[in-house]
Parts: sequence; structure tokens; C-alpha cells
Amino acid sequence: RKEVEQDPGPFNVPEGATVAFNCTYSNSASQSFFWYRQDCRKEPKLLMSVYSSGNEDGRFTAQLNRASQYISLLIRDSKLSDSATYLCVVEPSGGSYIPTFGRGTSLIVHP
Amino acid sequence: DAGVIQSPRHEVTEMGQEVTLRCKPISGHDYLFWYRQTMMRGLELLIYFNNNVPIDDSGMPEDRFSAKMPNASFSTLKIQPSEPRDSAVYFCASSSPRSKRETQYFGPGTRLLVL
Repeated sequence: RKEVEQDPGPFNVPEGATVAFNCTYSNSASQSFFWYRQDCRKEPKLLMSVYSSGNEDGRFTAQLNRASQYISLLIRDSKLSDSATYLCVVEPSGGSYIPTFGRGTSLIVHP
Repeated sequence: DAGVIQSPRHEVTEMGQEVTLRCKPISGHDYLFWYRQTMMRGLELLIYFNNNVPIDDSGMPEDRFSAKMPNASFSTLKIQPSEPRDSAVYFCASSSPRSKRETQYFGPGTRLLVL
């Protein structure tokens, strides 16, 4: 089983739609969780951290389910500019600072 | 701050040639990472440094790859000799654990094509 798994998609949705991505991780001792966004031919950029209590940033909501070992990203009212690849990132605990990136989920928002 | 700087942005070379990729991390960041991204394998961590010291190079594919960080503001990733399967986008990233949530900041990447 891969350490971090994501559905590659693509998720093809119309503007205004709500879309959700999940990411599962295998290391139950994982400590920190993030969502990164990567536009075509660009570098990954941090979208948001994922806190245990869940967190929201505008149209974006991230949640963590430690019992089932997955994190989720919900995008409401999708915009054309949301089209990108969304990467899930998991970092272990215990001082080992080696982040593991998922392969990413591709989102295409069309008019 | 200019962010993480990488050079060159594009590199086309022939098999067998030496390739050197360069990275300047964000000032004050004490962690530096080298990643490789391909369609087949996604984003792979090759090596990372803490305070200029290599901490984990288990992701380096083979002896043809080497990385150095002679000072806090400069790192190189060298491939010698290069092979067509090394074609990928190579990203450098830096971070400081003392910063909020240990965010990694990526450079724009170097697109390498080995013919």
C-alpha cells in the first residue's frame, strides 16, 4: 500500500459546483497534513494546512479523520481558476522531517 | 523575498553529459529539499539538508546523482552521467520548522530533458 494515496481524477465539474477530494495515508503516526495546489507547468504551492478540528478558508474546507486515516478537501462554488492538481502531503511525527506527497488529484472546472 | 531560486529553468542535454542544477533557498530557511517530478512517479523526495548537512539521501536514485550544500544560500544537484530516464522536472524547496506549520516553499523547477 502506498503511503499516501489519491484518486488521480480528473474531476471534471461545472462552475459553481461543489467538489470533494479524499486522500488516505498509511502511517498512523503521521503528525502534520497539508493540501498543496499545483498549476500546470508550475511549482506546488501550499493551499492550506489541515488541523485536527478541521479548518476553512473561504470556499475551501479541509478535514482530518485520524480514525480512518484520511484527509479531505472540499471546494464550494468552483471557479474556472480552481482548475489545477491538488496534492495531499503527510508528515510523520517523531522528528523525522520527511514529507510524503500524494500523486495529486486533477480538477478541471469548465464553464 | 524573491522566493526559492532555481537555475537553469530548462536544460536539454545529451546522454552521458554532466548536468548541474542550482538552488538558492529562502534566506533564513534551514531545511532544503530536492524533488523530482514525473508523470509516472509523481513528486519524489531525493534528498534533504538541515543546516547545510545532508540528513537523508535515501531517495537519490543511484550513484550518478549527488547533491551538495556548501553554504546556507546555495545547493547543487548533479547528475553524471545523465541518462534519458533522468528527464523530469527537478524542484528545490526550502522551509523553516520555526515558521508557521513548517510550510515548504518550492522553486519554479528545472525542466531537464536528456536526449
